[in-house]
Amino acid sequence: KAGVTQTPRYLIKTRGQQVTLSCSPISGHRSVSWYQQTPGQGLQFLFEYFSETQRNKGNFPGRFSGRQFSNSRSEMNVSTLELGDSALYLCASSVEQGFGYEQYFGPGTRLTVT
Amino acid sequence: AQKVTQAQTEISVVEKEDVTLDCVYETRDTTYYLFWYKQPPSGELVFLIRRNSFDEQNEISGRYSWNFQKSTSSFNFTITASQVVDSAVYFCALREYNNNDMRFGAGTRLTVKP
Repeated sequence: KAGVTQTPRYLIKTRGQQVTLSCSPISGHRSVSWYQQTPGQGLQFLFEYFSETQRNKGNFPGRFSGRQFSNSRSEMNVSTLELGDSALYLCASSVEQGFGYEQYFGPGTRLTVT
Repeated sequence: AQKVTQAQTEISVVEKEDVTLDCVYETRDTTYYLFWYKQPPSGELVFLIRRNSFDEQNEISGRYSWNFQKSTSSFNFTITASQVVDSAVYFCALREYNNNDMRFGAGTRLTVKP
């Protein structure tokens, strides 16, 4: 079975721009979560999608948004980029939403904002 | 609020030594799930183990073992006879039944020297 894939792997953007990151979950997985990883803040939960609906949201500003499609693929969008948005963005999928289901992570998209 | 503490920021050992990574958590829920993930230099988090709050049995998988103690709110991870390939950052994580936010510890960077 193919793992979680994320595109692009690397991205360089300028302050004020917007960016869209893509995540394809493991086949059969219906839940997709997004995380931001930075040296200072560590791994922080952004949001979780299940059946095309956002089920949970972390403590991030409204500039961070996402969506999930009927095939469970998910996209994350960050508008009006700030320097502090530079991070590794990780996508994780699980069979079902929440609770104790283990999440499988993709390789991440490294976003650099200049 | 849920919280995960990994007090050891970095650990360095010589190959074949045993090493224990500590994880202490805080939660008000009686039902919760604990996880360990490994993040090698490639960046992709690899799922290692999941434990639910009702299962305090210790687990052993090859050279890896986990000690879950609710009395001390700890979920420690031991690598026996460490190998260079064990070098990575290890994360402990907590997910409450009533809060789907997966909370990660800051991680412990393990370096195994030949």
